[in-house]
Amino acid sequence: AQTVTQSQPEMSVQEAETVTLSCTYDTSESDYYLFWYKQPPSRQMILVIRQEAYKQQNATENRFSVNFQKAAKSFSLKISDSQLGDAAMYFCAYRSSQGGNKLVFGAGTILRVKS
Amino acid sequence: DSGVTQTPKHLITATGQRVTLRCSPRSGDLSVYWYQQSLDQGLQFLIQYYNGEERAKGNILERFSAQQFPDLHSELNLSSLELGDSALYFCASSAGTSGGQETQYFGPGTRLLVL
Repeated sequence: AQTVTQSQPEMSVQEAETVTLSCTYDTSESDYYLFWYKQPPSRQMILVIRQEAYKQQNATENRFSVNFQKAAKSFSLKISDSQLGDAAMYFCAYRSSQGGNKLVFGAGTILRVKS
Repeated sequence: DSGVTQTPKHLITATGQRVTLRCSPRSGDLSVYWYQQSLDQGLQFLIQYYNGEERAKGNILERFSAQQFPDLHSELNLSSLELGDSALYFCASSAGTSGGQETQYFGPGTRLLVL
């Protein structure tokens, strides 16, 4: 079974600075998808960014980018120019390309943004 | 707003009782997923339905059941409730069954408190 590990329970960043959240996963599959979801205090789960494992190019969405290292099974999220609204819990998630679409989530990282 | 709706937002009930959580997927989405978020278990996949049929099962207790109706809305039934069932229950939807551009969009969740 696949597992997702987020080793940082909590991170802090100064407004306008850059922060990187770590995620590693364990799988024997070669084709899969990875996601970062944001959960603000409202508890809504918001998709931040996705990465297909077959793509070598790292995904980017505005101030959010990933560093996908397939061999190392690492999928970190970089947030540039951090804003107060970025404060939230961030979840890394894995989805297999086979046998259904369930998401396997990490434990989450709380991101605090200081003004 | 993800386009996925869930009712009710909050539910308070007693041990031993039965409750029904309702989810309406985004327009055009055929797949519905249920997830449970609790403090001790994190975010866990419960079950997936596609166009009325069960497609995948996760860590769903026998006391829990779900179905998807012809209009594609889904209901999660929780019975013989225990204190440990207190959690945030999310519904998510996606376009189809597997692969490709499948991204799950989450509803706002139903917060269940069992007293």
